[in-house]
Amino acid sequence: DAEITQSPRHKITETGRQVTLACHQTWNHNNMFWYRQDLGHGLRLIHYSYGVQDTNKGEVSDGYSVSRSNTEDLPLTLESAASSQTSVYFCASSDTLYGYTFGSGTRLTVV
Amino acid sequence: GQQLNQSPQSMFIQEGEDVSMNCTSSSIFNTWLWYKQDPGEGPVLLIALYKAGELTSNGRLTAQFGITRKDSFLNISASIPSDVGIYFCAGSSGTYKYIFGTGTRLKVLA
Repeated sequence: DAEITQSPRHKITETGRQVTLACHQTWNHNNMFWYRQDLGHGLRLIHYSYGVQDTNKGEVSDGYSVSRSNTEDLPLTLESAASSQTSVYFCASSDTLYGYTFGSGTRLTVV
Repeated sequence: GQQLNQSPQSMFIQEGEDVSMNCTSSSIFNTWLWYKQDPGEGPVLLIALYKAGELTSNGRLTAQFGITRKDSFLNISASIPSDVGIYFCAGSSGTYKYIFGTGTRLKVLA
């Protein structure tokens, strides 16, 4: 069965370190998205991609970057982790206007 | 950035009761979605709405696309303990990108 997987599920890192969160989907979807979830803020869009070599900034993109070298993967990199980036991160993919399929999330703690 | 306002933020209800929640936006949307998130998991799509005034059901869940295209409503009838979770609305103005609400946390008392 097709799926979307995120790794790791949990990560603790130190302030200032570079961190990469992985997202891999086997749906063959062109569109992929990264959101962060924080209490009181719901889901906020970080970056998104509509296809290979395409990347776009979302509403909270500062301090994050993505690259899309193939259809299946959209890794999210925190260039220099900050405590404000402690959050739960969700990756999602879609191929239509009618909703996303989400991964199970990565809980990131920056200490 | 733009976000959708969901209300209530949280609610406790007795098993068997009906539940209503809503989502409002300052912008017009072409598509509304409702998701449910269980603890430790990603959101799962419940219902999708594609035109103003549309009423769509999925089992005990019924959602409506508001006539003004700036709001949407979700009702759950005869709630059961497994309905517990966070419910999110999401809207799109015609792109593949969705804006999400802040969520309604539902707790069901057996």
